[in-house]
Amino acid sequence: KQEVTQIPAALSVPEGENLVLNCSFTDSAIYNLQWFRQDPGKGLTSLLLIQSSQREQTSGRLNASLDKSSGRSTLYIAASQPGDSATYLCAVRPGGYQKVTFGIGTKLQVIP
Amino acid sequence: GAVVSQHPSWVICKSGTSVKIECRSLDFQATTMFWYRQFPKQSLMLMATSNEGSKATYEQGVEKDKFLINHASLTLSTLTVTSAHPEDSSFYICSAKRLAAWDEQFFGPGTRLTVL
Repeated sequence: KQEVTQIPAALSVPEGENLVLNCSFTDSAIYNLQWFRQDPGKGLTSLLLIQSSQREQTSGRLNASLDKSSGRSTLYIAASQPGDSATYLCAVRPGGYQKVTFGIGTKLQVIP
Repeated sequence: GAVVSQHPSWVICKSGTSVKIECRSLDFQATTMFWYRQFPKQSLMLMATSNEGSKATYEQGVEKDKFLINHASLTLSTLTVTSAHPEDSSFYICSAKRLAAWDEQFFGPGTRLTVL
């Protein structure tokens, strides 16, 4: 059974800092890994999707890396802004199957 | 593209009543739709997977008679919470994907259900 862990559970940083969110998964036979953002009481916004054959994906100030063999992914946020405050979820999709397993998320607060 | 909507965005109902939540793919045909549930400070848990025109597949521990799922068309799936109880209060999110196995799931904005 795939398990997804996100560390830290919560993070508070001053505006402008670069930060790293971590995601680990127990079964390395994945199809892809996806990072989402969730604002309080809202649905999910997809940030980055990394296929199993890829090492990283970038979008603006966001960079996500994937190390399948070690079961890890990191989301790097450069020059953080108060608008980045949200919960960031990591989700793993296994190979040959559609079910996606989510982590609990990292709650980020960027202080002006 | 690949927009998924949910209706209503929030609903309050009395205990014992039934509530229907709609999930629509607005600009693509969704052969498969998924229903998730999220409790406060917990991750999303898959409840069931539905393929257009066939019965939904429920995850272990999810009561299929309580959470009725219908996927009658390629753009619409509905989740009906029957005889709702306060413990059914939660955030329900749907997602949809196209036929291709490689295609990602696109998530709806969620529905907040509160049962009094």
